[in-house]
Amino acid sequence: DAGVIQSPRHEVTEMGQEVTLRCKPISGHNSLFWYRQTMMRGLELLIYFNNNVPIDDSGMPEDRFSAKMPNASFSTLKIQPSEPRDSAVYFCASSLATSGGRDTQYFGPGTRLTVL
Amino acid sequence: AQTVTQSQPEMSVQEAETVTLSCTYDTSESDYYLFWYKQPPSRQMILVIRQEAYKQQNATENRFSVNFQKAAKSFSLKISDSQLGDAAMYFCAYRSVLAGTYKYIFGTGTRLKVLA
Repeated sequence: DAGVIQSPRHEVTEMGQEVTLRCKPISGHNSLFWYRQTMMRGLELLIYFNNNVPIDDSGMPEDRFSAKMPNASFSTLKIQPSEPRDSAVYFCASSLATSGGRDTQYFGPGTRLTVL
Repeated sequence: AQTVTQSQPEMSVQEAETVTLSCTYDTSESDYYLFWYKQPPSRQMILVIRQEAYKQQNATENRFSVNFQKAAKSFSLKISDSQLGDAAMYFCAYRSVLAGTYKYIFGTGTRLKVLA
């Protein structure tokens, strides 16, 4: 398996622009997570999907952030409008969640976002 | 709420030597999973090792092993025969197995430097 695939790997944009980050989870996985990593705040969970349904978006910083998972093999994280404080590395992770909670998350390579 | 603490922001080890990274956690649960992830300069979060709390035997993956002390709520990672490629940030993570839970609780990380 190719693992979790994220695109783009790097994104540089100007304040106010819309940014869309993409994620393809590992085939067969039913859970998908979006994280943000910064030096100041470490690794933060933004949103969690299970079977394509958003279960918990309490980590989404504000209304400028939105995430979708239209099918089991694709998810997007959108920031509109972007701000310099959104600059971070954004990770997507997927897992095969079971009722016993004995899953392991596998991370994508991340997208480094720079907002000027 | 569960917490994960990595008290060593940075560690150094000589190539070929052994190093131990510390992790403690706080929980009232009796069954859970613990993980160590490695994040090299490439930023990719790589699963190093996983421990199931109900298993008393310490997990081992090649040069990586853990010392799991359930009563002390300690989960340290030992890297034997350290190699230059082991230089990375290492994150400890906790996952509850209670029904309906899905979040990983990450520590703040330990940066490991390997000296030639």
